[in-house]
Amino acid sequence: LAKTTQPISMDSYEGQEVNITCSHNNIATNDYITWYQQFPSQGPRFIIQGYKTKVTNEVASLFIPADRKSSTLSLPRVSLSDTAVYYCLVAGLSGGYNKLIFGAGTRLAVHP
Amino acid sequence: EAGVAQSPRYKIIEKRQSVAFWCNPISGHATLYWYQQILGQGPKLLIQFQNNGVVDDSQLPKDRFSAERLKGVDSTLKIQPAKLEDSAVYLCASSWRRLREGQETQYFGPGTRLLVL
Repeated sequence: LAKTTQPISMDSYEGQEVNITCSHNNIATNDYITWYQQFPSQGPRFIIQGYKTKVTNEVASLFIPADRKSSTLSLPRVSLSDTAVYYCLVAGLSGGYNKLIFGAGTRLAVHP
Repeated sequence: EAGVAQSPRYKIIEKRQSVAFWCNPISGHATLYWYQQILGQGPKLLIQFQNNGVVDDSQLPKDRFSAERLKGVDSTLKIQPAKLEDSAVYLCASSWRRLREGQETQYFGPGTRLLVL
């Protein structure tokens, strides 16, 4: 299963664009890249998922280069409510079933 | 659509006591997960069910933890006896996609915060 590496913490200010990069050098051919967001006292919430190139939804964009060894979550114009922990995961098959392995995540603090 | 429900939200017990957590997944979701999240860490998978069968329990401390999912819907996770290091948030999640696809999306409940004294 692919391990992921992402910054422990990041700081930003309201209105700025935030980019969080995740490394996953051992990603397998069938693996998808998924990002979750977690607020204090809540369970993680799915943000975005992709396989290659670029994916965009109403919340974020996900950029994946051709070699897929890294990915970048882009949050446009962050607000204070985007302060949370962001997890990068590579969903891989293990024993024929998907298995999510969470790392420590990136703690994003958005300041006024 | 109702989300994943968990109860209780908080529980305080003394070590060596037993405790049980309950989870009701989103209707129609065949796959159910229990995670343990220690403060400052990411969630760690304890057990994964597909309908009422166990898919993966490799990280479940089976000497003290047990889980069941009768009838393939609700699930309970039990700890007996509890240790101090079991203090954590226990998260339940569910998904509906077939597990053989990497595009699975898991929906998490609010969790149960356990404190063992």
